[in-house]
Amino acid sequence: GAVVSQHPSRVICKSGTSVKIECRSLDFQATTMFWYRQFPKKSLMLMATSNEGSKATYEQGVEKDKFLINHASLTLSTLTVTSAHPEDSSFYICSANRDGGYTFGSGTRLTVV
Amino acid sequence: AQKVTQAQTEISVVEKEDVTLDCVYETRDTTYYLFWYKQPPSGELVFLIRRNSFDEQNEISGRYSWNFQKSTSSFNFTITASQVVDSAVYFCALSQKTTDSWGKLQFGAGTQVVVTP
Repeated sequence: GAVVSQHPSRVICKSGTSVKIECRSLDFQATTMFWYRQFPKKSLMLMATSNEGSKATYEQGVEKDKFLINHASLTLSTLTVTSAHPEDSSFYICSANRDGGYTFGSGTRLTVV
Repeated sequence: AQKVTQAQTEISVVEKEDVTLDCVYETRDTTYYLFWYKQPPSGELVFLIRRNSFDEQNEISGRYSWNFQKSTSSFNFTITASQVVDSAVYFCALSQKTTDSWGKLQFGAGTQVVVTP
């Protein structure tokens, strides 16, 4: 079945630094990927839709300059949290659609100290 | 606008009891898709089922069953004879499909299921 690989699974970074999260579709081409953020005991909130070869579409209230999304190939989308602060600490998860099914990465737990 | 409501925040049951999770949705689209996902403590999302808006047949998969009723805009999920391994957060989600592409998934708030031995 469709597999989406997300790395790293956990990352701890210092305040002010940037962190890159990768999401790869391993056995299929994903023209569209989705990035979600999840706070503890909360639901998944869509941050942006990543489209291969074009700019990402951000949801209202999401700072595009803070959360940089690059979808340079049909199998790779990256989310970079720039100048991270403690309030950016969260669980980030990507998803790709294949034939109507949404496959999710295993998520990245980001802790900013 | 699309909306998914899971009114139950947490449900606690004793092993072997049945548990039903409610999901009510709102959409103006005639073509849409409903999903259920399981999120265990490890965090990954596990796909359980997808149902399109034209298929109102109920489905059973092992101990899991789903009841889709368009008349009440509901897509409820029942776990029969619950087990401790069923303890997780369960999300109901909704998406639409255009001619060319699949839209984003709109998630409900989730229901925490706690199964005790």
